Amino acid sequence: AQKVTQAQTEISVVEKEDVTLDCVYETRDTTYYLFWYKQPPSGELVFLIRRNSFDEQNEISGRYSWNFQKSTSSFNFTITASQVVDSAVYFCALSEANTGRRALTFGSGTRLQVQP
Amino acid sequence: KAGVTQTPRYLIKTRGQQVTLSCSPISGHRSVSWYQQTPGQGLQFLFEYFSETQRNKGNFPGRFSGRQFSNSRSEMNVSTLELGDSALYLCASSLEAGGRNTEAFFGQGTRLTVV
Repeated sequence: AQKVTQAQTEISVVEKEDVTLDCVYETRDTTYYLFWYKQPPSGELVFLIRRNSFDEQNEISGRYSWNFQKSTSSFNFTITASQVVDSAVYFCALSEANTGRRALTFGSGTRLQVQP
Repeated sequence: KAGVTQTPRYLIKTRGQQVTLSCSPISGHRSVSWYQQTPGQGLQFLFEYFSETQRNKGNFPGRFSGRQFSNSRSEMNVSTLELGDSALYLCASSLEAGGRNTEAFFGQGTRLTVV
């Protein structure tokens, strides 16, 4: 069975600090997809990134970067120079490809509070 | 391009009643999934529809059901409501491209309160 663990329940930082959100996953599939979503207070889940299991290249998008390491089953997310607008709950998610399931298995989320 | 639209945004129902929630996916998206979000259980997969057929189902009782129409719009129904059904129900749509698992885009959700 697949599982996603986000051990950090809540993180509080001061604006302009860098912050890393951890994500560890478990799956028996050899082909799978990893995602990060942001949930602001409005409730909508905002898609941030998708990464497939064959692509371990790290990615950077503006102040956001992702570090995917299959050897440790981790897919960590770093926000550089955090801003108040980054305050939200962040979810890591996993879906399997080989079984044909499209269901996302979510972690429990990390609440990030960025103080001005 | 319009995003995923869920109606209504808020709903209050009484125990024992039934409720129907609606989801309009992004134009061109044929896969629609539903998720339940509660403080205790987090985000849990309910079911997924593709081309009017239920393709996957999560571990929820039969009181939870859904359907998808030919225009890809989807509805989910919960019968005999229980207090524990109070949750944010999120709908997501995906573009199926050659069978590949593409990213899901979520609506703002319907917040259901059962009293």
